[in-house]
Amino acid sequence: AQSVTQPDIHITVSEGASLELRCNYSYGATPYLFWYVQSPGQGLQLLLKYFSGDTLVQGIKGFEAEFKRSQSSFNLRKPSVHWSDAAEYFCAVINQAGTALIFGKGTTLSVSS
Amino acid sequence: DAGVTQSPTHLIKTRGQQVTLRCSPKSGHDTVSWYQQALGQGPQFIFQYYEEEERQRGNFPDRFSGHQFPNYSSELNVNALLLGDSALYLCASSNSGGPPNEQFFGPGTRLTVL
Repeated sequence: AQSVTQPDIHITVSEGASLELRCNYSYGATPYLFWYVQSPGQGLQLLLKYFSGDTLVQGIKGFEAEFKRSQSSFNLRKPSVHWSDAAEYFCAVINQAGTALIFGKGTTLSVSS
Repeated sequence: DAGVTQSPTHLIKTRGQQVTLRCSPKSGHDTVSWYQQALGQGPQFIFQYYEEEERQRGNFPDRFSGHQFPNYSSELNVNALLLGDSALYLCASSNSGGPPNEQFFGPGTRLTVL
């Protein structure tokens, strides 16, 4: 069965420092992968997605992610974190039927000044 | 262009009651999915509606049911509420002719069961 693992429950980063959030997936074929961000009390906003092609994908708000098939990973990165980036981040993969997103448990990002 | 809208924003019910949540999809979208997000967890897929039919269902009991209307809006109904049904319920819409399952989420309805 497909699954997504986000190993880090909570990460604290200093403002201006770089960020990497880890995501590992379990999926038999080429996965469709997503990163979403959720601010407190809000819905989910799509940051970026990978369907095929270039394994380094660019998203909104200066985020990027790299798909590594050999490591079954899709890690999210940002070179310089801003205080407004503090939020919950979710990695997701589409199920085999192509209908449902399967989410990880999320990583909470705190930004210190 | 309005995004995905959901109503109500918050809801408080007691055990055993029934609740109906509503969702209007993003303009141009014809598919609606519902997710349950318990506190501290990632969203879990409940079901998806397309052409007024339930296309796929996640691992949720029959107490959870839904409906899609001709204008593509959707309702989620939960009967015989349990304390464990307390969660944020998210609606997501997508275009069946668009990129694979690129889903746009609404702000959610926070359901509290006492």
